[in-house]
Amino acid sequence: EVVLVESGGNVVRQGGSLRLSCAASGFSFDDYGLSWVRQVPGKGLEWVSGINWNGGSTASAESVKGRFTISRDNAKNSLYLQMNSLRTEDTAFYFCARVRNSGLSEAYDFWGQGTMVTVS
Amino acid sequence: DIQLTQSPSTLSASVGDRVSITCRASQSITSWLAWYQHKPGKAPKLLIYKASSLQGGVPARFSGSGSGTEFTLTISSLRPDDFATYYCQNYNTYSPTFGGGTKVEI
Repeated sequence: EVVLVESGGNVVRQGGSLRLSCAASGFSFDDYGLSWVRQVPGKGLEWVSGINWNGGSTASAESVKGRFTISRDNAKNSLYLQMNSLRTEDTAFYFCARVRNSGLSEAYDFWGQGTMVTVS
Repeated sequence: DIQLTQSPSTLSASVGDRVSITCRASQSITSWLAWYQHKPGKAPKLLIYKASSLQGGVPARFSGSGSGTEFTLTISSLRPDDFATYYCQNYNTYSPTFGGGTKVEI
């Protein structure tokens, strides 16, 4: 069974930093790309950042470029999102999602349940 | 970025109804469109990819159609478990976008 579990969400001050993690199990981790998607409570989904199977290709939304960095550790079956210079508008649930292939441009076939980041 | 516009934003329906949700893209995305179901506190669930391909394990009452700039998600006979918010997503670029969502409510 594919399982994605996010962690690291917390309350942080504006300008602060936070690192989110996503622990994966139940599939061959290095065969798939991964993404972070966020949702402001009561609002819609917004793609944040994506990474291919080996970390050699990444992409981020303009709203987080230069502040957020996506990375992965295939030896630990883990995905990360380093979030710096946090703003109040970054307050959201952050979901980890598996891409249907090894790249960046495909649908997301499995998602975690999310971790909440609050910037005050 | 490609903009996706979903309509309606809210849909009131009853169990057994046939319902359709539309997603319009600001430019052609050929068939690079997915549909997701999302319930509060749960992980979003992939229903349809490549505009009309049913994801494994998803009931056949869900179907997708369209290409280019106009797409439709249809639920042939609404079940109680289907009351949720539905999102379309374009993934033909390295900057995927989501529609604003359609809440299907009783």
